[in-house]
Amino acid sequence: NAGVTQTPKFQVLKTGQSMTLQCAQDMNHEYMSWYRQDPGMGLRLIHYSVGAGITDQGEVPNGYNVSRSTTEDFPLRLLSAAPSQTSVYFCASSLRPGSYVYNEQFFGPGTRLTVL
Amino acid sequence: GQQVMQIPQYQHVQEGEDFTTYCNSSTTLSNIQWYKQRPGGHPVFLIQLVKSGEVKKQKRLTFQFGEAKKNSSLHITATQTTDVGTYFCAGLNQAGTALIFGKGTTLSVSS
Repeated sequence: NAGVTQTPKFQVLKTGQSMTLQCAQDMNHEYMSWYRQDPGMGLRLIHYSVGAGITDQGEVPNGYNVSRSTTEDFPLRLLSAAPSQTSVYFCASSLRPGSYVYNEQFFGPGTRLTVL
Repeated sequence: GQQVMQIPQYQHVQEGEDFTTYCNSSTTLSNIQWYKQRPGGHPVFLIQLVKSGEVKKQKRLTFQFGEAKKNSSLHITATQTTDVGTYFCAGLNQAGTALIFGKGTTLSVSS
């Protein structure tokens, strides 16, 4: 199993550009989520999905869109990039939180995004 | 909203010294998880605690969940340079739909 994969690893954008960060998992996990990590701020939840066709907002959703058309993929779209979106983005997947068998979240390797 | 707070933010120790990081929640948690992130890496799951007062050990690491299920700690005995990284605690939000992470404690170890 590849686990959770993310592409690209690095990206530089200009203010106003749009792009999609890709995330895929091959563990048949229902639950997928996107976090951003900034120095001293920990991991902040952007959006999450409890299954195909279902998404919801996390703590910091503004400026980002998500969709979940398949169990495997959960792309994150930046609509109009701003310097404040410079960050490291992590995708994670797991069994459904709160379920009896819920255990750990598996994180992808991250995408380092710089917006100029 | 629900918050998970961690202290200290940074800790530097000499190799062989002990280290403890504390995690406090503004609300009762159904469970708490701990993750470790090495420099330049991604968070990796360490453990999950579910029961009030639970204590679990992994070699030199000891994890505790408070009796009221609102606080937790991670203690490392005799730190090694391989322990360097940031340690995060995380708890489920009240709806049980998302993990809320603390800001982490970054541990540095000098030999």
